[in-house]
Amino acid sequence: GDSVTQMEGPVTLSEEAFLTINCTYTATGYPSLFWYVQYPGEGLQLLLKATKADDKGSNKGFEATYRKETTSFHLEKGSVQVSDSAVYFCALSTSGGYNKLIFGAGTRLAVHP
Amino acid sequence: ETGVTQTPRHLVMGMTNKKSLKCEQHLGHNAMYWYKQSAKKPLELMFVYSLEERVENNSVPSRFSPECPNSSHLFLHLHTLQPEDSALYLCASSQDPLTDTQYFGPGTRLTVL
Repeated sequence: GDSVTQMEGPVTLSEEAFLTINCTYTATGYPSLFWYVQYPGEGLQLLLKATKADDKGSNKGFEATYRKETTSFHLEKGSVQVSDSAVYFCALSTSGGYNKLIFGAGTRLAVHP
Repeated sequence: ETGVTQTPRHLVMGMTNKKSLKCEQHLGHNAMYWYKQSAKKPLELMFVYSLEERVENNSVPSRFSPECPNSSHLFLHLHTLQPEDSALYLCASSQDPLTDTQYFGPGTRLTVL
């Protein structure tokens, strides 16, 4: 079945460091891909999305490119801030039938001053 | 209120209690979802509703009973729960059940004693 694999955390960085969180997927058909972020004590917020191969999603300085050839959707940010500390979830939506989101396990990011 | 709201934010209940979780979306969407987020497992889809009709039940035990009286409100009725049901329960909505992007509420943190 469809699945999403994320790099295990926690990821600990200093402020202004470069961030990469790896995400790979397995899916039949052509899923859409998402990154959601969960700040402490809150629900999930959509961070960015991409709906087809080679699309780049971007928001708040974060970027991810839909790579069909490597089945990847890695999240990157050039300079992280303390306020970026959160749990990041990669997800895909299954194609065909009713929309289902399949989530990865989440990667906790801690950014220190 | 904007977006997706959930009440209560925190709930503690005994195994013999009956309680309900409430979700309300203010986005004009026609599809609503319940997810379970446990400490050790990825986010799991529980139920999908489209225009007040349940279209997906992801093998959820009968001690969880959803109700969708209209397209803006979704309830999750709980009875005779087990301690392993303790989790964060997240509600989401989307324009329709075939649409990719889901918007999440802040969740209800449930503890079963």
